Amino acid sequence: KAGVTQTPRYLIKTRGQQVTLSCSPISGHRSVSWYQQTPGQGLQFLFEYFSETQRNKGNFPGRFSGRQFSNSRSEMNVSTLELGDSALYLCASSPASDGTLIFGYTFGSGTRLTVV
Amino acid sequence: GDSVTQMEGPVTLSEEAFLTINCTYTATGYPSLFWYVQYPGEGLQLLLKATKADDKGSNKGFEATYRKETTSFHLEKGSVQVSDSAVYFCALSPTPGGDYKLSFGAGTTVTVRA
Repeated sequence: KAGVTQTPRYLIKTRGQQVTLSCSPISGHRSVSWYQQTPGQGLQFLFEYFSETQRNKGNFPGRFSGRQFSNSRSEMNVSTLELGDSALYLCASSPASDGTLIFGYTFGSGTRLTVV
Repeated sequence: GDSVTQMEGPVTLSEEAFLTINCTYTATGYPSLFWYVQYPGEGLQLLLKATKADDKGSNKGFEATYRKETTSFHLEKGSVQVSDSAVYFCALSPTPGGDYKLSFGAGTTVTVRA
C-alpha cells in the first residue's frame, strides 16, 4: 500500500516568488492536513481538508492557501515568499471523517522549501 | 487552547539503557494521544496511540499509558538500541467533534550510543 507522497522533495525559491506543493494521500484517505516544521516554531498546523472542504485553518497569513481535489489529492500554495517561509512542509492523511483521529495521521516525507 | 509539553532534550543514552520521555497535556474533554517519531531526513511516523484514559499504547518495545488524572502520556522503552536515535513528538487531537488537527510538543531528540 503506497504511503503519502509529497512532491517535490526539495525546492529552492527566491523571495517574492510563489510555490505550489503537492500531496497524494493514501488511497481511501479523505482527510488531508498540512503542517509546517521549523527549528524555532516546531510543528505548526496549516490547514485540514476533507472531501474538498477546508474544515480548519491554522494561524498563518493569507499568503498560505490550499485546496483538495475530488480524488483527495491536495496542494498548498505560498505566495510572495519570505525568508521565514523556509521550512519542511509535511502533509498527512487519515481515513477518519470525524475529529477523534483515532486512526492517527500518516505523514509523508515532506517538502523541504528553502527561500533565498 | 490545547497544548502539549515535552521534556526538553537532547537525551543521550547508552545502548540497552532505559528511556523515558515525559509528556503532559492541557485539553478539555477526552483527547486522543499519540507519539510520533522522526528519523533524520524523514517525515513523522506514528509510533503508538491511546484514545481513552488508562489505555496503553505499545509498539516496537515502546509503551505509553494515558493517565487522565495526571494529564500525562510518558513514553518508555526498557532497552534502547542505536536505531532508536531520532526525534520523538508527543501529540494530541481534541475531543470528538474537535478541530481536526494535531497539537504537537516541541520534540525530544534522543541519541543512543553503542
